[in-house]
Amino acid sequence: DTGVSQNPRHKITKRGQNVTFRCDPISEHNRLYWYRQTLGQGPEFLTYFQNEAQLEKSRLLSDRFSAERPKGSFSTLEIQRTEQGDSAMYLCASSLAVAETQYFGPGTRLLVL
Amino acid sequence: GNSVTQMEGPVTLSEEAFLTINCTYTATGYPSLFWYVQYPGEGLQLLLKATKADDKGSNKGFEATYRKETTSFHLEKGSVQVSDSAVYFCALDDFGNEKLTFGTGTRLTIIP
Repeated sequence: DTGVSQNPRHKITKRGQNVTFRCDPISEHNRLYWYRQTLGQGPEFLTYFQNEAQLEKSRLLSDRFSAERPKGSFSTLEIQRTEQGDSAMYLCASSLAVAETQYFGPGTRLLVL
Repeated sequence: GNSVTQMEGPVTLSEEAFLTINCTYTATGYPSLFWYVQYPGEGLQLLLKATKADDKGSNKGFEATYRKETTSFHLEKGSVQVSDSAVYFCALDDFGNEKLTFGTGTRLTIIP
């Protein structure tokens, strides 16, 4: 039973660069969520997908952020023109259906210098 | 809006001590309540959940009861172990909102 996987696990980048993270959900899970966790805080919701459709975006998700799930399987989260304030752990979760338990991946830790 | 307030940490206990981590919530609807745990170097794992008032979630010796009258979901364990050292997050999922709202987390350290 493979869980949610995320790549890379760590990313260091310079301010102004673009970064892309990947999330592979649990097989057959049609809901996929992205969260952001800063140091000492709980995860905060960013966006979620039902299959390939992006159904909700948080106001935390500025125009520099874009997420896709093109075939309803894996998802990517891209941050353009990174800023130091984007430094955080980016978490992906998946669930089988609405109101089902969300299972989290290990996260991608981003550091923007 | 929805919010979760958690007991601030860090919490340090001796092995075999009794644990309580307080959690209260505010929600507009009828939420499900969760405790997630994050062990060092690992991702968030669901510890237990309760989906309606008076339900008790339990797992690995941990328990929490959904108290609608006090809007609380306190986490308890009768005898903690060193391996329970982790960060614990209380969360809610207000049906129809499709996202989890988390507390700030409580870091628990158990000393032998």
